[in-house]
This record gives sequence, C-alpha cells and structure tokens, in this order.
Amino acid sequence: EDKVVQSPLSLVVHEGDTVTLNCSYEVTNFRSLLWYKQEKKAPTFLFMLTSSGIEKKSGRLSSILDKKELSSILNITATQTGDSAIYLCAVGGGSNYKLTFGKGTLLTVNP
Amino acid sequence: ETGVTQTPRHLVMGMTNKKSLKCEQHLGHNAMYWYKQSAKKPLELMFVYNFKEQTENNSVPSRFSPECPNSSHLFLHLHTLQPEDSALYLCASSPYKLQGPLTYEQYFGPGTRLTVT
Repeated sequence: EDKVVQSPLSLVVHEGDTVTLNCSYEVTNFRSLLWYKQEKKAPTFLFMLTSSGIEKKSGRLSSILDKKELSSILNITATQTGDSAIYLCAVGGGSNYKLTFGKGTLLTVNP
Repeated sequence: ETGVTQTPRHLVMGMTNKKSLKCEQHLGHNAMYWYKQSAKKPLELMFVYNFKEQTENNSVPSRFSPECPNSSHLFLHLHTLQPEDSALYLCASSPYKLQGPLTYEQYFGPGTRLTVT
C-alpha cells in the first residue's frame, strides 16, 4: 500500500523564522511529488517535483526532492502570519493519476 | 466563474435524507475526483473519472453514489449516511492525456462541509 508520511504534524513559529517541512514516501512506480497549501478549505497547488535534486522556488517557498532518500522538504523563509496553514504533501505513482496524500503539517506563525 | 466550484458549501442532513453534492470545473480538464477529508486523517480518494468514465472506486460504501454526466460536472449522491460520514468533501480536476507524459497536478474546489445528524 502506498504511504506518505509528513513531519512534524504541527509547528508553531514566530514571524521571521525559517521552517522546514518534511515528507517521506513509499510508493510503487513513483512519478511526481506535489506540495499543497490548505488555509480554510481548498488546497492550493504550490509545487510539483519529478526530478531529484532540482529545487523549485516561488518567492520565500522552495522545495527539493531526494529520490534516493524517498523524501522531499519544503522550506519557508522569513515566515509571515499569512503562511499559517496546513501544508499537504502528495505523491503520484503508477499508470493512473491517483495521488496519495500525507496527513499534513499544521504551521502556525505567530506575530 | 473560474476554477473548480462546489455547491452547497455546507450541508446538514439526517441519516434518512437523500442529498447531492455538485462540482463544476471551468478549466477544460478531463479528469475529476472526489476526496473525503476527516479530522487528523489524510485526504482519502473516493472516486476518479477520466473522460466521464469511472476509473477508480476506492472501496467506497454504496451509500455514496457518484455521477459524471460530462467532463465538467461531477455529482456525489448521498443516501442513508452515518454520523461518521461527516467530513469535508473535496472535488478536484486535472488534465488527462491519453498519450504523452502524465501530469498529477490537481486543482481543488472549496469543498462541502457535511454534517450527518
């Protein structure tokens, strides 16, 4: 059975801190790893990673995939209160479009 | 309207009621999904439709009945639900190609918060 594990499950930081969220996976026929941000309702897409070692970056957020270690990290620098959300990691594998999600990391950024 | 929309946003129903959730995507995608999100659990995939054909039923109880009349619309018909079915139900869509590289990027709607009393 495919499995995605995120850590930590929750994290509280102060504005300006840098955080690193972790995602590890066991998936047959790995194809892609995706990060989503979920604030109130709809998860919104952040990054999709398919190749190991290539960093995807968008502003203060960046992510790297390590296919050898079967893991990925999501970094957020200079955190702001608006970064408070649940960050979801999902992995796609096999010949269909099915995604397996982790439980998410609840990030709280205090002023 | 753009993106993926879902109605209603909130629904309270008794165990003997029948109701339907609606999802519509305006992105030109060909794949649509229903997910269930319960507290402290990962998103659980329920159903997948590609080009209106159901390609995945993730052992979902028959009290949940999906319908996909076309690539833009997806319904989830509910009947005789249990209190443990209370959750956030999310719809998503993605591009689907019959040939070429797969893409796993899914776009989510705002969800329907369902409470079964």
